[in-house]
This record gives sequence, structure tokens and C-alpha cells, in this order.
Amino acid sequence: QKEVEQDPGPLSVPEGAIVSLNCTYSNSAFQYFMWYRQYSRKGPELLMYTYSSGNKEDGRFTAQVDKSSKYISLFIRDSQPSDSATYLCAMSGGTNAGKSTFGDGTTLTVKP
Amino acid sequence: DTAVSQTPKYLVTQMGNDKSIKCEQNLGHDTMYWYKQDSKKFLKIMFSYNNKELIINETVPNRFSPKSPDKAHLNLHINSLELGDSAVYFCASSLRAPGETQYFGPGTRLLVL
Repeated sequence: QKEVEQDPGPLSVPEGAIVSLNCTYSNSAFQYFMWYRQYSRKGPELLMYTYSSGNKEDGRFTAQVDKSSKYISLFIRDSQPSDSATYLCAMSGGTNAGKSTFGDGTTLTVKP
Repeated sequence: DTAVSQTPKYLVTQMGNDKSIKCEQNLGHDTMYWYKQDSKKFLKIMFSYNNKELIINETVPNRFSPKSPDKAHLNLHINSLELGDSAVYFCASSLRAPGETQYFGPGTRLLVL
């Protein structure tokens, strides 16, 4: 069983839709939770960073962490075609301090 | 200003050859990483260096040898290339290792024929 499982996708939505991207994990020691966005043929770039449980909002993006359920989500409001990319969740902490464990990624397409 | 840069961007080579990929970061970060991303987009860490010292060495064939001449540079040398080595290799850096967010380079697309 993988330490981090990410909803595989692909996901295709119309412009303006609310998108929910999700990951579950098994290592209760994880404390740092990140979402990266990767455009085609580019390197991943950090989108959101959260420490421990709670919500964090940045513009149209909201990251949620529920440590009791070992579940994290990224919500995108009013999705735009420019949001079309692969989204990778990543987490670290505990015995995994020093490296981030990534999900497999969810590819999102937002259609105009 | 490019924060994390890699050279070359593309590498096409024959099986059995030896090749190197170079990475440089100008962010003043202490930690650098090499990742391999396969065709299914799965990102797998290979190595990590902190202040030129190897701190993460995942299960990687010993044909892969990283080298960090200083904390701003982390190179990857691959001996006796195999078909299965074809992938995109990403270099990344972070300020410190534990829990820090990482800044990725643009990737090196390696194709072994």
C-alpha cells in the first residue's frame, strides 16, 4: 500500500466549475502538506502549503487538511482553462522528515 | 532569473552510454534533490544533499551517482544507460530539508534508444 494515495483522474470540468482534488495518506506523522501544480512539459511548482490540520485560502484555491481522517483536499473555485494541469499532493514529517512523499497526480482539464 | 536550472533540457542517447545532467540553484538553499518522473507522472525521489552531504539515497541502481561540488550544484551521472532509464529527471531545492517546500527545475527529458 502506498503511503499517499491520490484520486487518479483524469478530471474534466467546464469553466467556472468548482474542482475538488483529494489525497489520503497512511503515515500519521505527516505534518506538512503541499499541493504542487505541474503544467505540461514543466517542473512542478508549489501552489499551497499547510502545516497540520485546518484550512488555508489563497485566491481561488483552498487547501484543507483533516489529520484525524488522514485526508487532504484542494478546492479550486471558478476554475479557468489556465488551471488545466496535473496537481500533485505531497507531504512530509516524522520519520519522513527531509523528504516529501508525492501522490501520483491528478490531471485536470478545464474546458472553456 | 532562473531559480533552479538544469542542463541539458533534452538528452537522447544509446543504451550503454554514460551521461551527466547538471543542476544549479541560485536561491541560497541548503538542500537539493533529484527526482525521476515516469510517463505516468509519478514523481519518485532519488537523492537528496544537504550542504554537500548525501542525506537521502533511495533504492536506486548504483549506475546513478550524484555529486555535489558545492551547495548550489547537484549533478547526476548515469553509467551504462538502460531503456528503463528513459524519463524526465527533475532537480529541486529547498531552504532546509525537513518539511520544506521545494522549488523544481524545468526537467531533463532523457530518452534511451
